[in-house]
Amino acid sequence: EAQLVESGGGLVQPGGSLRLSCAASGFIFSNYWMTWVRQAPGKGLEWVANINQDGGGKNYVDSVEGRFTISRDNAKNSLYLQMNSLRAEDTAVYYCARDLPSHRAFDYWGQGTLVTVSS
Amino acid sequence: DIQMTQSPSTLSASVGDRVTITCRASQSIGRWLAWYQQKPGKAPKLLIYQASTLESGVPSRFSGSASGTEFTLTIISLQPDDSATYYCQRYNAFPLTFGGGTKVEVK
Repeated sequence: EAQLVESGGGLVQPGGSLRLSCAASGFIFSNYWMTWVRQAPGKGLEWVANINQDGGGKNYVDSVEGRFTISRDNAKNSLYLQMNSLRAEDTAVYYCARDLPSHRAFDYWGQGTLVTVSS
Repeated sequence: DIQMTQSPSTLSASVGDRVTITCRASQSIGRWLAWYQQKPGKAPKLLIYQASTLESGVPSRFSGSASGTEFTLTIISLQPDDSATYYCQRYNAFPLTFGGGTKVEVK
C-alpha cells in the first residue's frame, strides 16, 4: 500500500527558510502528480502547491508564489517543498498527498509535519 | 477565485440518523468535487471524488450528489465512527480550494 512520510518541520524565525521532504513508498512515484496541503492550527485545509510527474509542471497558491518551491526527485521517490521568506501565517501542519489519476483529488496523505514560524 | 461555501459549520445528530452536508460553488465547477473526512490529529481521508464516485474501501453509507453548483454529502445511518470534520474540495481549476469544513458530532 502507498505510504507517504513527511519530515523537516520545526521552529523557524520570520524571514527564515525551511525545506520539507516527503518520502514515498508502495507505489510507482514517478507516475503520479503530487501535492502539498497545509492546515493552520485549528483551521481548515489549504492547497499549497502541486507538481506533475516529471517535475516540469508546477502550480502554487498565490500566497506562497515566489516564496515556496515544489520539486521532486523520482530516483529517490521523494517530494520537497522549499520554503523561503517564511511568515507567521505560514505556521501550519504541512501534508504531502498523492493525486488520484486524472483527478486533482488526493487519495493518499502523509501524517503531516508541523512548521512554526515565530520569533 | 471560485469560492466554496460549506454548510452547516457544525451539526449534531444521533446514531442511525441521516445527515446531509452541502457545498455550494460560486460558479460552475462541473463535477470536479471531492469530499474528505478528517479526525482530530489525523490526515484527511478521501471519501468521494467526481462529485459522486465512492473511493475504494469507503462504507456505502456515504454518498455524494450534485445539482448545478450545489453538492451534497449524505451519510445514511450515522455511526459513532463518523464523528469528524468533513471538507469539500473543488478541483476544476487552480488554485484548488477547500470548503470551510463541517464538524459532525454523533450524540
